[in-house]
Amino acid sequence: DIQMTQSPSSMSMSLGDTVTITCRASQDVGIYVNWFQQKPGKSPRRLIYRATNLADGVPSRFSGSGSRSDFSLTISSLESEDVADYHCLQYDEYPWTFGGGTKLELK
Amino acid sequence: EVQLVESGGGLVQPGRSMKLSCAASGFNFSNYGMAWVRQAPTKGLEWIATISYDDTSTYYRDSVKGRLTISRDNAKSTLYLQMNSLRSEDTATYYCTRMGLTAFDYWGQGVMVTVSP
Repeated sequence: DIQMTQSPSSMSMSLGDTVTITCRASQDVGIYVNWFQQKPGKSPRRLIYRATNLADGVPSRFSGSGSRSDFSLTISSLESEDVADYHCLQYDEYPWTFGGGTKLELK
Repeated sequence: EVQLVESGGGLVQPGRSMKLSCAASGFNFSNYGMAWVRQAPTKGLEWIATISYDDTSTYYRDSVKGRLTISRDNAKSTLYLQMNSLRSEDTATYYCTRMGLTAFDYWGQGVMVTVSP
């Protein structure tokens, strides 16, 4: 199975900060990585698809980069509504696998 | 508006069965692959199974093969997850999700399944 190592597992940042979350795949997954945001008690919401594409309705302060085995999600200017858990997913090969998640809190 | 509404969860004893349903609306259900993803309490997301738009292909994670079965009824725009021989480690919130052009573009609200004596 492909392992998705996500880091950090938690982070505490200030409003206006730039936030970067990374996922490293245990093998080449091409561009088949999505990023999801999950607020407490809510369902996940897709933010980024195919590594770099912004999903409909997602604010432009979110961006994704990377390919093959190294991927990152960046929030360019943190807002209070961005407090959430973030998850990466590889869907290049079954079983599809998620990263362990990142809990983003405000300092 | 795309809507996915799960139902059928609750408390079940170990070894028993349960069937989850996901009613889809707001899109042509028969054109999309679908999947189930679960999340154990305080844990991360875990893909369980995927079914093709036309029901010709299914894929499962190893830990559920032979116990959980994904199926669909395109005439009813409904996705199912039949869960047999349930174990405590199956305790989780189960989400129905649409495949879209890329994975998991829409999600249901989730349904809780608790496996306990």
